[in-house]
Amino acid sequence: GAVVSQHPSWVICKSGTSVKIECRSLDFQATTMFWYRQFPKQSLMLMATSNEGSKATYEQGVEKDKFLINHASLTLSTLTVTSAHPEDSSFYICSARETSGRGQTQYFGPGTRLLVL
Amino acid sequence: AQSVAQPEDQVNVAEGNPLTVKCTYSVSGNPYLFWYVQYPNRGLQFLLKYITGDNLVKGSYGFEAEFNKSQTSFHLKKPSALVSDSALYFCAVRVSGYSSASKIIFGSGTRLSIRP
Repeated sequence: GAVVSQHPSWVICKSGTSVKIECRSLDFQATTMFWYRQFPKQSLMLMATSNEGSKATYEQGVEKDKFLINHASLTLSTLTVTSAHPEDSSFYICSARETSGRGQTQYFGPGTRLLVL
Repeated sequence: AQSVAQPEDQVNVAEGNPLTVKCTYSVSGNPYLFWYVQYPNRGLQFLLKYITGDNLVKGSYGFEAEFNKSQTSFHLKKPSALVSDSALYFCAVRVSGYSSASKIIFGSGTRLSIRP
């Protein structure tokens, strides 16, 4: 099946710093990528949808200036958490949908655990 | 509003017995439905999907799901559970988003526990 990678797998940072998370589709091209966050024992909540070459579309309640998303190529999207605070600590999961379409399946990365001290 | 619901937070089954994890949905138009599994501290793994065609969909690891339009359900099933099936299971539905872009939304998740 299609593979999506994320880097780093976990990160610890100080409050006030910025953290960048990369999401790559390894064996397919993804016009559309998605960013989710998951709090402990909760479901995945969609944060934003990013389309290659255009601005991301954010879900209601998600601060676009805090969570910067860049989708510069068909295989890479990045999420930057700016001025991170402890409440931003969470499990961030990206997802990619193949351009050519394997029946509308989204493939998910392994997730990045962020801990803000 | 378009949504997907998993009414059970936890399902407990003895190894070797059949299992069912329930899911109901509410969408406009034809639903695209999915099941994913998540192991501890891991991302999601795709199990199976329903787009069109046969109501019984077969997926990975011996799982299958039955699409029932009249009951708006898409329950996940397996004839004989394994201890290794213990994980968190998410039902998901593709919905229309901004500018006709579609996105997947998830149910709340069901923790499946298989006892030896």
